[in-house]
Amino acid sequence: DGGITQSPKYLFRKEGQNVTLSCEQNLNHDAMYWYRQDPGQGLRLIYYSQIVNDFQKGDIAEGYSVSREKKESFPLTVTSAQKNPTAFYLCASSIGGLQVGNEQFFGPGTRLTVL
Amino acid sequence: AQRVTQPEKLLSVFKGAPVELKCNYSYSGSPELFWYVQYSRQRLQLLLRHISRESIKGFTADLNKGETSFHLKKPFAQEEDSAMYYCALSLNAGGTSYGKLTFGQGTILTVHP
Repeated sequence: DGGITQSPKYLFRKEGQNVTLSCEQNLNHDAMYWYRQDPGQGLRLIYYSQIVNDFQKGDIAEGYSVSREKKESFPLTVTSAQKNPTAFYLCASSIGGLQVGNEQFFGPGTRLTVL
Repeated sequence: AQRVTQPEKLLSVFKGAPVELKCNYSYSGSPELFWYVQYSRQRLQLLLRHISRESIKGFTADLNKGETSFHLKKPFAQEEDSAMYYCALSLNAGGTSYGKLTFGQGTILTVHP
């Protein structure tokens, strides 16, 4: 079954703890993205990676970190420095490269709740 | 910096009525515009993109550079069109697209029977 998977579906965290959200894709896509979805604010880009071993900050990177050691994996760590981490997190991927109008394919999301 | 604005958080219409979801953007270059849709309990997915000039599920969207708009339209709404709709912009610098998208705030469309 091809596509993007995110785990876990629901995640609870105590304040002060770091937590890592998983994102895996078997679409052979070069580019991967992390978004945060909040009611009334749409999707905001946290980090993106256009190729393995490279990633860039998005619009709201503070309090988050990522790694891209493998093409198919792009985990997101929500650190204790993130002031308001409770949100729905979406991972996406696209073919990347010098393609015009790349479609992004989205995972099912992880809902993180800080207790 | 680029920005996408969807002025309506909620939009309600009756089945068979025309529907228009508004999207305005600000970007000094030549953008690529998209509409993404999220149906209940489904993943966010691409609906259409302006470069394709296609109609998907009866929806069309025309890029108006003069008004910096990319409104989504459908002449006869159906109940299954009820969903969250996001307008998105991709930078297109020097003829290449980096794939990074800027999304609007989203519009929840409800089509009543």
